[in-house]
Amino acid sequence: QKEVEQDPGPLSVPEGAIVSLNCTYSNSAFQYFMWYRQYSRKGPELLMYTYSSGNKEDGRFTAQVDKSSKYISLFIRDSQPSDSATYLCAMSYLSGNTPLVFGKGTRLSVIA
Amino acid sequence: GAVVSQHPSWVICKSGTSVKIECRSLDFQATTMFWYRQFPKQSLMLMATSNEGSKATYEQGVEKDKFLINHASLTLSTLTVTSAHPEDSSFYICSASPQGLVTEAFFGQGTRLTVV
Repeated sequence: QKEVEQDPGPLSVPEGAIVSLNCTYSNSAFQYFMWYRQYSRKGPELLMYTYSSGNKEDGRFTAQVDKSSKYISLFIRDSQPSDSATYLCAMSYLSGNTPLVFGKGTRLSVIA
Repeated sequence: GAVVSQHPSWVICKSGTSVKIECRSLDFQATTMFWYRQFPKQSLMLMATSNEGSKATYEQGVEKDKFLINHASLTLSTLTVTSAHPEDSSFYICSASPQGLVTEAFFGQGTRLTVV
């Protein structure tokens, strides 16, 4: 079993839809949870991060972490064609300068 | 925000030759940088941890003699793929964190290597 599981999609939604992206993980030691957006042939761009369980909101984006279920989500409200990209979840055990464990990424297409 | 610059963004080389990829932190110093590799439709996989002034730490299964890492200054780490083969074709990405926090990891643009 991989440490982090993420459905690669592709996921196609109409403009304005609410998008739900999810990851599950196996190691309960993960404490820091990040979401990255990656456009084709580019490096990942940090969207937001969450520490431990709970919700965090930033504009149209909401990140949720449920440590009891080892399940994290990213919601995108009022999705736009410019949101079309691959979304990667990433996790870490420690707060310091440590490498991240990534999911495969979910390819999202928002259709105008 | 902090910028990590990677060069070149793409490279095509012949089998058996060596390729050097540079990763620079443009507006901060980074004692540690990470090198990842990403195959199509796969997640980023950590290859090695690059430490300024000391030897890199490689992940299991990554050949240190094939993937040479040099972190000669606080703003530059290089990855050299030696004697490249077609199976080394991949997307290579580096990351660094300005404050040494995992929640502030910035990534380079990535380098797409194609070995023919």
